[in-house]
Amino acid sequence: DSGVTQTPKHLITATGQRVTLRCSPRSGDLSVYWYQQSLDQGLQFLIQYYNGEERAKGNILERFSAQQFPDLHSELNLSSLELGDSALYFCASSSRLAGVETQYFGPGTRLLVL
Amino acid sequence: DQQVKQNSPSLSVQEGRISILNCDYTNSMFDYFLWYKKYPAEGPTFLISISSIKDKNEDGRFTVFLNKSAKHLSLHIVPSQPGDSAVYFCAASVANYGQNFVFGPGTRLSVLP
Repeated sequence: DSGVTQTPKHLITATGQRVTLRCSPRSGDLSVYWYQQSLDQGLQFLIQYYNGEERAKGNILERFSAQQFPDLHSELNLSSLELGDSALYFCASSSRLAGVETQYFGPGTRLLVL
Repeated sequence: DQQVKQNSPSLSVQEGRISILNCDYTNSMFDYFLWYKKYPAEGPTFLISISSIKDKNEDGRFTVFLNKSAKHLSLHIVPSQPGDSAVYFCAASVANYGQNFVFGPGTRLSVLP
């Protein structure tokens, strides 16, 4: 158990709909990262938040948005969903020890768009 | 343009033998590298890391080697066990806080009993 929690575990929805994925980081971690893993693909970095503020942006579509709240949990909002958005969405939080950063991943949310 | 490459999508190894997973990178700014292991239906799990000031880091059965001049790193698992069967991701970053990690596409390791 990495200490990072994600809900829901599975989500089935229809094209055009909007969903919200939730992530709670490990206790004490200020950074939250979101990744997308499509079928047989690697992990694509979407966005990072640090202590409530957006820190870095990757390959995130304009239909997607995220935020990090004062209690440090984060939500990833996916709107106008398309079939191709079906994927595993992972959240990670990071800690820095001895000058280096390590990311710890949650179990993921499996999104299926029908 | 893939900055982190894992050119072998899959690898099969006999139990007890050595597994060698390879990773190449193109960005010379990367100075911190990690390996993650992922089982189906689970999130990636941190395995081992190495900073560019080292060329080797060992943790039990797992050793990571870094060749900076070749921009190449490898993960050695000795001896391989059936429980090591998973997808292994190589990741790289610039080690200032907040820099995002770049992941390779992964290598699926199968350890045969």
